[in-house]
Amino acid sequence: SQELEQSPQSLIVQEGKNLTINCTSSKTLYGLYWYKQKYGEGLIFLMMLQKGGEEKSHEKITAKLDEKKQQSSLHITASQPSHAGIYLCGAATITGNQFYFGTGTSLTVIP
Amino acid sequence: KAGVTQTPRYLIKTRGQQVTLSCSPISGHRSVSWYQQTPGQGLQFLFEYFSETQRNKGNFPGRFSGRQFSNSRSEMNVSTLELGDSALYLCASSLDDSSYNSPLHFGNGTRLTVT
Repeated sequence: SQELEQSPQSLIVQEGKNLTINCTSSKTLYGLYWYKQKYGEGLIFLMMLQKGGEEKSHEKITAKLDEKKQQSSLHITASQPSHAGIYLCGAATITGNQFYFGTGTSLTVIP
Repeated sequence: KAGVTQTPRYLIKTRGQQVTLSCSPISGHRSVSWYQQTPGQGLQFLFEYFSETQRNKGNFPGRFSGRQFSNSRSEMNVSTLELGDSALYLCASSLDDSSYNSPLHFGNGTRLTVT
């Protein structure tokens, strides 16, 4: 099965600081998605990356998929309390018939 | 456009009972998938339906079942509930009909507690 490992497991940062979350796969990724979840709620879609080397940004969040398509990083610039939550990466198998999620990274931003 | 709607939001059941959860996808989305989320196991794939057919199934016992109706609405059923079934059950819909080239859109989930 395809497994996605996220690091770190949790992060506590001061407001205004930059941070990076990593998502690593043992296999080639075909479609890598980043989601954010508030505790006890559904997942909010952030970004989708499909091509090696692809980079996308939305407001202060930037995600990149490496050339080999086995690792993705999510970078938040000048973090705010509104960025707090659980960040999950998700990916489809090569056949696209199943979707896997990473272990999640819990982010706390201290005002 | 309305998002993915899941009902009920909360459920409390007793061991041995059965439960049915409902999911209404975003209008126009034909694929609906279900996930179980627990603190220990994270997000785990249950099954996916497309055009009223179960297209994929995760590694869960047969007590977990689902179906999809002609209007794409989906239900999942858990029979003979166990304490370990306590979890947040999330439904997601997507537009794409083949591979995961379009993102999954999630509902807010149903929090099931089994006592």
